[in-house]
Amino acid sequence: SQKIEQNSEALNIQEGKTATLTCNYTNYSPAYLQWYRQDPGRGPVFLLLIRENEKEKRKERLKVTFDTTLKQSLFHITASQPADSATYLCAIGSSNTGKLIFGQGTTLQVKP
Amino acid sequence: DGGITQSPKYLFRKEGQNVTLSCEQNLNHDAMYWYRQDPGQGLRLIYYSQIVNDFQKGDIAEGYSVSREKKESFPLTVTSAQKNPTAFYLCASRTGEWTGELFFGEGSRLTVL
Repeated sequence: SQKIEQNSEALNIQEGKTATLTCNYTNYSPAYLQWYRQDPGRGPVFLLLIRENEKEKRKERLKVTFDTTLKQSLFHITASQPADSATYLCAIGSSNTGKLIFGQGTTLQVKP
Repeated sequence: DGGITQSPKYLFRKEGQNVTLSCEQNLNHDAMYWYRQDPGQGLRLIYYSQIVNDFQKGDIAEGYSVSREKKESFPLTVTSAQKNPTAFYLCASRTGEWTGELFFGEGSRLTVL
């Protein structure tokens, strides 16, 4: 069956370190992958898009990689700050439907 | 300001009652989506619509219904057939571009008493 898996346990790191979040998928052939940030009680906010033919994308302190052989995306936040504390969701989409399917999210806690 | 408006933010209903959640967007987006989120879980797709007067079932459509009579509006009805309706409901929209980002509303929290 199709599955998207993110780290189920919360990630706790010290301010200034790099946070790395994982998104694995099975039985999908995504054309692209997106990452979102969600704060408690709020709707998710889009962060980054990466297409299947792209290996890496960067935006300020954020970096995302996409390995279609490993069926995995990694999301990195460098020089993390307490304000980065939130839940991060990955979502995958295909080219022939409008569906966007989300993982369960990973909660990141950055301690000062 | 352009955006997505969901209402009500909080809703309580008794078992056996239908309830309709409103979702309006003024972003001129073609596609609209409804997701459900349970505590500690990700978003699960209920229904989506890529164009007016057309919509498709997502992964958990049973017990829900939608309509898309206007581009700006995509209301979701939670029927009495939905066995466990207490959840946080999120509406989103995006442009017709197939890799486009989703713009989410602030959500509606439904509690069945």
